[in-house]
Amino acid sequence: GQQVMQIPQYQHVQEGEDFTTYCNSSTTLSNIQWYKQRPGGHPVFLIQLVKSGEVKKQKRLTFQFGEAKKNSSLHITATQTTDVGTYFCAGPGDGGSNYKLTFGKGTLLTVNP
Amino acid sequence: GAVVSQHPSWVICKSGTSVKIECRSLDFQATTMFWYRQFPKQSLMLMATSNEGSKATYEQGVEKDKFLINHASLTLSTLTVTSAHPEDSSFYICSARGRAQETQYFGPGTRLLVL
Repeated sequence: GQQVMQIPQYQHVQEGEDFTTYCNSSTTLSNIQWYKQRPGGHPVFLIQLVKSGEVKKQKRLTFQFGEAKKNSSLHITATQTTDVGTYFCAGPGDGGSNYKLTFGKGTLLTVNP
Repeated sequence: GAVVSQHPSWVICKSGTSVKIECRSLDFQATTMFWYRQFPKQSLMLMATSNEGSKATYEQGVEKDKFLINHASLTLSTLTVTSAHPEDSSFYICSARGRAQETQYFGPGTRLLVL
């Protein structure tokens, strides 16, 4: 079945440093979505990428979708303590379903003030 | 917009009892709702997909007789954990999508502790 792999599993940075998490799928994705889950909280939708090579920015966050639509990355510039949390990528599930999501294992970001 | 609520947020119960968790879409009609389970420091694992007015579709390895799902209306889905055991203790999260949406909006989750 489809697998969505995400690295690294953990990342600890000093406040002000940059952070990147990478997501790779075993199959081509029609779209990829990114979510953030704060400690003790629930996943919150951040963004969806659809087009090959697409790049989207949200303030200090930059999201990229690979040309082959099998990988994606999330880059945070100059991290802040408010960026702490687990970042998940998710792709549409198997069987042609556009509605089920397969989540990566997530990257837990901790920021030292 | 796209607010999803879940109730209760916390539940502690004795082994062998059943627990019902409600998931509501507050400002949109949810044609599909999803139920996930998340163990500490792990990713979200999809348990089942629920479409309004039809039977839920369970993921492989999820016992449908143990995790009863009802999606009786376009704004409400319920998950009942029957005869709960300590190994069922987890964070249960629902999400919902509307007819025109590809993204899922998550509820705040329910933490279940079975003693």
